[in-house]
Order: sequence, then C-alpha cells, then structure tokens
Amino acid sequence: DQQVKQNSPSLSVQEGRISILNCDYTNSMFDYFLWYKKYPAEGPTFLISISSIKDKNEDGRFTVFLNKSAKHLSLHIVPSQPGDSAVYFCAARSANAGKSTFGDGTTLTVKP
Amino acid sequence: NAGVTQTPKFQVLKTGQSMTLQCAQDMNHNSMYWYRQDPGMGLRLIYYSASEGTTDKGEVPNGYNVSRLNKREFSLRLESAAPSQTSVYFCASSPMGTVGYEQYFGPGTRLTVT
Repeated sequence: DQQVKQNSPSLSVQEGRISILNCDYTNSMFDYFLWYKKYPAEGPTFLISISSIKDKNEDGRFTVFLNKSAKHLSLHIVPSQPGDSAVYFCAARSANAGKSTFGDGTTLTVKP
Repeated sequence: NAGVTQTPKFQVLKTGQSMTLQCAQDMNHNSMYWYRQDPGMGLRLIYYSASEGTTDKGEVPNGYNVSRLNKREFSLRLESAAPSQTSVYFCASSPMGTVGYEQYFGPGTRLTVT
C-alpha cells in the first residue's frame, strides 16, 4: 500500500512557463509535507515544506499548495528554468513519527 | 561544514560477500536514515535511528543491519550480499522537530552485486 503517490513519472515544460508537480497521499495522520529535488549522481536536497495547518507556502519561485480534504499537494515552479530539470520527490510524515514516506518521484524536464 | 558524508562512493561485491557502508554527519542532528533507490522506485527506507542509541526497521530491512555508533555516525552492513541488493544507497540526517523535519542527504553509494 503506497501511502504517497506521484502519478506522473515525467513532466516536460518550456522555459519560462509554470511547472506543476502533483502528489497524493492516503494516510490522514500525515501532518507535514516536504518536496526534495534530485540531480543525477547526487543525493536529494530539500526544497520546500508545508505544515498541515497551512494551505500554501511560498519560497521564491517555488510554491507548495496543500488540499487536506482531497489529500493532495502540488508544487508550482514559476517561471521554470532549465536548471530546474531534475527528479522531484514528495514526502510526508505524521506527528511523532521518526520517519518520512516518499513518493516515487517525477522527472521534470525544462526545455530552453 | 561537510554535511553528510558517505563512504565508499562505489563498490562492487560478489554474491555472499559482506561490507559496511559508512555515514557521518556534522550537523548535530538527532535522527539518521538509510535509504535505497532503485530505478523508478523512489526512496525506500531500510533502517532509521530517531536518536542516539535507538534503531528501527523501515520498509525494506531484510538482509541489512545497522549500528548507530554515536550521534555522528550510522553504518549499514550487508552480511551476505545478494544481486537484489544492487542499488544506490543514501544516508540522511534530520534535526527532526528541533529546527525542522527536513532531511539532509549524502551523495550516495552505488553498489553492484554480481
């Protein structure tokens, strides 16, 4: 039973346009959500997070939206740049849990 | 400040051989983790240590053992390697709530078992 799902394995957008990456979860106990970015041959790096008490968090070009009733979150990148081309992982954790659960990732390609 | 370091970067083993993957962090984080990443499978948690002196199984612990040597170091041991353990292994650490919940990852160890 995969509790965090990223249903789109890949996404391709033009430079300057918006990239929207989606993530769904099934565990209603999850209360904190994170996005990580991973370049080839490197470890993932933390990008942005959101607590369940919020529905939006913004950091520069990156915004994460949380819809708790739909158990859905999304990462918006505006404007997209070629350097954003990477694999993006969604992760979720519940209160007092010592670990996060990761999705399988979405490969974003931003074309110049 | 090196962050999370892992050794070795690459390793080739024969079936049945053993090895230990080393991980160290210099961020004074309480929690440490070992993941494996297979193509198209995302990150799967092998073991984690919420704090010094504790370890817990993750999703895929079979065939592995861990040791939280001290607050800085968390090692992963393969006692008898199998081809199914061919993967990229990532170590991570996290302050887990004291500052935030994000994890900081090492560069990975690419392991091939023949």
